[in-house]
Amino acid sequence: EAQVTQNPRYLITVTGKKLTVTCSQNMNHEYMSWYRQDPGLGLRQIYYSMNVEVTDKGDVPEGYKVSRKEKRNFPLILESPSPNQTSLYFCASRYYRADQNYGYTFGSGTRLTVV
Amino acid sequence: AQTVTQSQPEMSVQEAETVTLSCTYDTSENNYYLFWYKQPPSRQMILVIRQEAYKQQNATENRFSVNFQKAAKSFSLKISDSQLGDTAMYFCAFMNIGNQFYFGTGTSLTVIP
Repeated sequence: EAQVTQNPRYLITVTGKKLTVTCSQNMNHEYMSWYRQDPGLGLRQIYYSMNVEVTDKGDVPEGYKVSRKEKRNFPLILESPSPNQTSLYFCASRYYRADQNYGYTFGSGTRLTVV
Repeated sequence: AQTVTQSQPEMSVQEAETVTLSCTYDTSENNYYLFWYKQPPSRQMILVIRQEAYKQQNATENRFSVNFQKAAKSFSLKISDSQLGDTAMYFCAFMNIGNQFYFGTGTSLTVIP
């Protein structure tokens, strides 16, 4: 089954404790992205990657890191989480070429709470 | 910069009735793609329908159809014969040829039995 696998689904952590949210896709998509969803703000892009070893900042990158060492994996790292990073996070992937583009396939989301 | 506007934060509809969710966008480009995503309480983001700007024909997927008005930069979603399972947050999204993707802030739809 074609899918984006994101883990964990729920995470409660304390301020300053480093964490990683994993994301893996099995569709050979070039493009991967991380979004955060907050009430009234919709989905805002944190980071994206157009291919292996190519990453760039989205609209709200502060406090986050990513890496793309393999095509299928795109982990999101919070080096020192703060309460304002409490949010619902989505990993998503798609083909890069616009004419191949059927939109994003999303992971099932990670509800992160930082206390 | 492109923007996507969903002016209806919340809507409700009686079961079996028809409802239309509005979406407008701002772009100076001629070729682009538009999407509607559904997010039910399970929070999974599900692609509902996709429209290519160069196609004049409105996309349809079973009970879901769009009214794409390119000149007006409008992309509304019509849900016919609404079902309880249609209760969800709906996001309109825009993608340009340069691969930038933009989401609206969402419309929360409740289907009333």
